[in-house]
Amino acid sequence: AQSVSQHNHHVILSEAASLELGCNYSYGGTVNLFWYVQYPGQHLQLLLKYFSGDPLVKGIKGFEAEFIKSKFSFNLRKPSVQWSDTAEYFCAVQGGSYIPTFGRGTSLIVHP
Amino acid sequence: DAGVIQSPRHEVTEMGQEVTLRCKPISGHNSLFWYRQTMMRGLELLIYFNNNVPIDDSGMPEDRFSAKMPNASFSTLKIQPSEPRDSAVYFCASSTGQGNTQYFGPGTRLTVL
Repeated sequence: AQSVSQHNHHVILSEAASLELGCNYSYGGTVNLFWYVQYPGQHLQLLLKYFSGDPLVKGIKGFEAEFIKSKFSFNLRKPSVQWSDTAEYFCAVQGGSYIPTFGRGTSLIVHP
Repeated sequence: DAGVIQSPRHEVTEMGQEVTLRCKPISGHNSLFWYRQTMMRGLELLIYFNNNVPIDDSGMPEDRFSAKMPNASFSTLKIQPSEPRDSAVYFCASSTGQGNTQYFGPGTRLTVL
């Protein structure tokens, strides 16, 4: 069975700080990996995804994530956060079951 | 495209009442998912349909919950009878197939008093 672990439950940063959110998964085969974002009061929307190819994936709004197969990780990064990045971030993994498994989410608060 | 449409957006009901949540997936998408989101448990998959057929309903909490997808453009999630612990935001999502990006609806915020 596949599983996802997001280590940081709550992150508080000041504007312009760098961001890295951890995501580790458990699955022995080929995986598709996703990061979704949920802005306050809104629905989840895709931030970026990795299916194959370059392990460094660039998404919307300056976010990127790096797939490190040996570490079973898919950490999300942004060099300089903005107040508008305040949101909940979900990592998801999809392996053999074809049904994505979501992590518990990380709440990011960015102070202006 | 209008995206995934859910109704109602908010529902307040009393314990014991029947609740029906509705979802219209994106046209052409053949996979549909129902999720429940709470502070305590995060985002939980309740049921997954592929080509209108329920594939995995292992996440459905108990017999009070049922879901149907009578055609490719409509699905319902019903709770009967509802209980206060069912209070949550219920999301519907659709995708073009197994393993592809999911598109989420705006959610239904359910409050059971």
